Amino acid sequence: EVHLVESGGDLVQPGGSLRLSCAASGFTFSSYWMYWVRQAPGKGLVWVSRINSDGSSTNYADSVRGRFTISRDNAKNTLYLQMSSLKDEDTAVYYCTRGMTVATITPWNYWGQGTLVTVSS
Amino acid sequence: EIVLTQSPGTLSLSPGERATLSCRASQSVSSSYLAWYQQKPGQAPRLLIYVASSRATGIPDKFSGSGSGTDFTLTISRLEPEDFAVYYCQQYGISPWTFGQGTKVEIQ
Repeated sequence: EVHLVESGGDLVQPGGSLRLSCAASGFTFSSYWMYWVRQAPGKGLVWVSRINSDGSSTNYADSVRGRFTISRDNAKNTLYLQMSSLKDEDTAVYYCTRGMTVATITPWNYWGQGTLVTVSS
Repeated sequence: EIVLTQSPGTLSLSPGERATLSCRASQSVSSSYLAWYQQKPGQAPRLLIYVASSRATGIPDKFSGSGSGTDFTLTISRLEPEDFAVYYCQQYGISPWTFGQGTKVEIQ
């Protein structure tokens, strides 16, 4: 059974940094693109970042480019999101998610439970 | 960036009624790479429909999707108590992958 478990969310001051992790199990992690999606309190879903299967290609939403870095360790079956220069508007639940298939164009049918990041002084 | 606009923002219906949710894209969604997700409070989104009209594994046939190009619809044939939730459309054909703002289906 596929499991995605996020961790690392916390209360952090504006300008601070945080690293989120997503531990994957139940599938061949190294075969899949992985994604981060966030949801601010009471708001909708917003894609944040994506990484390809071997970690050689990444992309980011404009709102986080230059501040966030996505990475993965296929030996540890773990996805990461390094967040720096955090702003109030980065406050959200952060989900890691996986595509339905190994194809590059695929809907996302496995989601973690999310981890809450709160940016506040 | 493809902007997805969902309507209505809130749909107030009674159990047993039919729900029709709309998602309009600012430009054509390639190959109908359009998905629908359901989200309940405190839970992660759940994939319902992909490529506009295919049901994901385990999704009951009361959920159906249709449309192409820029106009897409999610229909729930007979609402049951567990269907009251927020529904999002998403285009996953081109980066940046984008979601609509959501339609809340609430009990009237």
